[in-house]
Amino acid sequence: NAGVTQTPKFQVLKTGQSMTLQCAQDMNHNSMYWYRQDPGMGLRLIYYSASEGTTDKGEVPNGYNVSRLNKREFSLRLESAAPSQTSVYFCASSEAYGRGTRNIQYFGAGTRLSVL
Amino acid sequence: AQSVTQLDSQVPVFEEAPVELRCNYSSSVSVYLFWYVQYPNQGLQLLLKYLSGSTLVKGINGFEAEFNKSQTSFHLRKPSVHISDTAEYFCAVSNTGTASKLTFGTGTRLQVTL
Repeated sequence: NAGVTQTPKFQVLKTGQSMTLQCAQDMNHNSMYWYRQDPGMGLRLIYYSASEGTTDKGEVPNGYNVSRLNKREFSLRLESAAPSQTSVYFCASSEAYGRGTRNIQYFGAGTRLSVL
Repeated sequence: AQSVTQLDSQVPVFEEAPVELRCNYSSSVSVYLFWYVQYPNQGLQLLLKYLSGSTLVKGINGFEAEFNKSQTSFHLRKPSVHISDTAEYFCAVSNTGTASKLTFGTGTRLQVTL
């Protein structure tokens, strides 16, 4: 009954370092998403993958890259971390992107990232 | 484009009192509406959803919300809150089309005290 699993839970980086946030879902969902959450701004979509083999930019993609490794896994990479990327990152999945009732999204527990 | 406005960033309330968290949306087409709850240091959990049918939607933990199309609102209510309801609540909207993303409000922090 794991749902959406994110690793790591916490991370501290120095400016310029790189890292990859991992996300895996076990619900056989087709679509996966990466959001960032900042105080007073709600959740903003970074990238999404409507289906295996496709990825698209969301609202705030600059400074990030993603890989849909297979149907289960969707990773988010910061190539050169900046203090502005200090945030809480959430991965989510849904049965099918944009397909009405099948677009209900389920979230992981988040990764709390600090960039010094 | 769609948008969501949560009018209150924080709502303090005493235990066993009723509470209403307000949400208004803007969209030029039909919508689906959601409320998510985020407990401290956790991810978002779906509280309830409006997809179609009855405008009064019941969710988990005794919460309910009413879809009002004329006022473009989807306010969340609970008749008697508990300490354990302390959390951040997010309203979200997507349109009913075939390529719609989920748009979140900025959240309302519900603080329940004795």
